[in-house]
Amino acid sequence: NAGVTQTPKFQVLKTGQSMTLQCAQDMNHEYMSWYRQDPGMGLRLIHYSVGAGITDQGEVPNGYNVSRSTTEDFPLRLLSAAPSQTSVYFCASSSTGHLTGELFFGEGSRLTVL
Amino acid sequence: KQEVTQIPAALSVPEGENLVLNCSFTDSAIYNLQWFRQDPGKGLTSLLLIQSSQREQTSGRLNASLDKSSGRSTLYIAASQPGDSATYLCAVIPAGNNRKLIWGLGTSLAVNP
Repeated sequence: NAGVTQTPKFQVLKTGQSMTLQCAQDMNHEYMSWYRQDPGMGLRLIHYSVGAGITDQGEVPNGYNVSRSTTEDFPLRLLSAAPSQTSVYFCASSSTGHLTGELFFGEGSRLTVL
Repeated sequence: KQEVTQIPAALSVPEGENLVLNCSFTDSAIYNLQWFRQDPGKGLTSLLLIQSSQREQTSGRLNASLDKSSGRSTLYIAASQPGDSATYLCAVIPAGNNRKLIWGLGTSLAVNP
C-alpha cells in the first residue's frame, strides 16, 4: 500500500534555483494539497486541488506553482528558491475533500535553500 | 478569526499512565475537528475525526471528545506506552465558505519506560 508518495525526501538548493517536489497518490483521491511545516508556525496550506485540472491557492502561495493534470499527481514547483522557503513540505490527499474526509499525508520533503 | 491552541507544548509521563491532551479553539462554529499523530521525521497520521454534531469518537485506547460551546477537545490516551511517544496535533475546519483546516502547534508527548 503506497498511499501518498513524495520525492525527493531531502534537497539542498541555492538561492534562485528552481525545482519540483513530486507527489503521487494511488488511492484515487480527488482532493490533494501541499503544506509547509515550520517550527513555531504549524502547518500552512500552500496550494490545493479538488480534482484534475482544478487548483487553488492556500494561505502562503507566493513563490510556488502547482498543476493537476492527472488525479494521481500533484507536483509543487518552486520558481526561484529563497532561503525563506527552507522548510518541510507535506503533500496530503483525501477522498471526500478536506471538509469531511480523513487526510492521508506523505512522509515529507525536507528542503534547504542556501 | 479561528485560532487553535494546544497546551502543554510538551508532556512527559511514565508508561502505563492515562493522559489527556488538550485542544482549544476560539470560534465554536466548526465543521469538524481532527486529531493527528506525527512521529519524528515522518508525515502525519489521522487518528480521529469528530463531526460538529458528535460528542466523541473512540479508536482502541484513544478517545476524543468535543465540546463546541466551550471551544475544547480532549484526546484521552489510556494505559500509555512508549510507542505512543510522538507529537499530537489537532485541526479544525471552520463552518462557512472558507473551509480550510486551522492547525494547532501540537503537543510533544514522551512516554518513558
